[in-house]
Amino acid sequence: AQRVTQPEKLLSVFKGAPVELKCNYSYSGSPELFWYVQYSRQRLQLLLRHISRESIKGFTADLNKGETSFHLKKPFAQEEDSAMYYCALQYNFNKFYFGSGTKLNVKP
Amino acid sequence: SQTIHQWPATLVQPVGSPLSLECTVEGTSNPNLYWYRQAAGRGLQLLFYSVGIGQISSEVPQNLSASRPQDRQFILSSKKLLLSDSGFYLCAWSPRRRGRSNQPQHFGDGTRLSIL
Repeated sequence: AQRVTQPEKLLSVFKGAPVELKCNYSYSGSPELFWYVQYSRQRLQLLLRHISRESIKGFTADLNKGETSFHLKKPFAQEEDSAMYYCALQYNFNKFYFGSGTKLNVKP
Repeated sequence: SQTIHQWPATLVQPVGSPLSLECTVEGTSNPNLYWYRQAAGRGLQLLFYSVGIGQISSEVPQNLSASRPQDRQFILSSKKLLLSDSGFYLCAWSPRRRGRSNQPQHFGDGTRLSIL
């Protein structure tokens, strides 16, 4: 069965510090993975997807099939990065499984 | 551009009353449509998804049902609400391209449902 685990409910870092939000998945097929973000009083929105291999707002995420992970990283956190982050797995073309989310708090 | 509308934003209902939440998408055709529930401290749980008019797949057995009477309209319903139906409900859409995955979802603002 497919599953996404985000082990940290809350992650607090100081501005300028590196940040890594962990995501591990379980899926027997070829995974399609995403990171979504929800800023205060805004809609849940796509941050990045693994297939694009892109950097958005300084964030990157690498799919590690050996460790079944898709951790989200940023070398220097900014206060405006404070938000709720969700890792999501797309499977069977139409279905999505979301992790429970990690709240990132970047302190000044 | 595509937009998604979801209403109402908040709803307070007594136990045993019916429910109807509506979601519409504009600016696209043949979207995949989704209903999620987010309980406090938990992730998004997929409740229903639809790949076309009248085509509904249920992911979790429950007190709720969904319908898609029109291509860009998705409705979440219940005949009799339970206390456990309280939560935050999100509607989402994604482009439907046969055989292709990695199409991200676009979410509405959500409905906060409180059952008394």
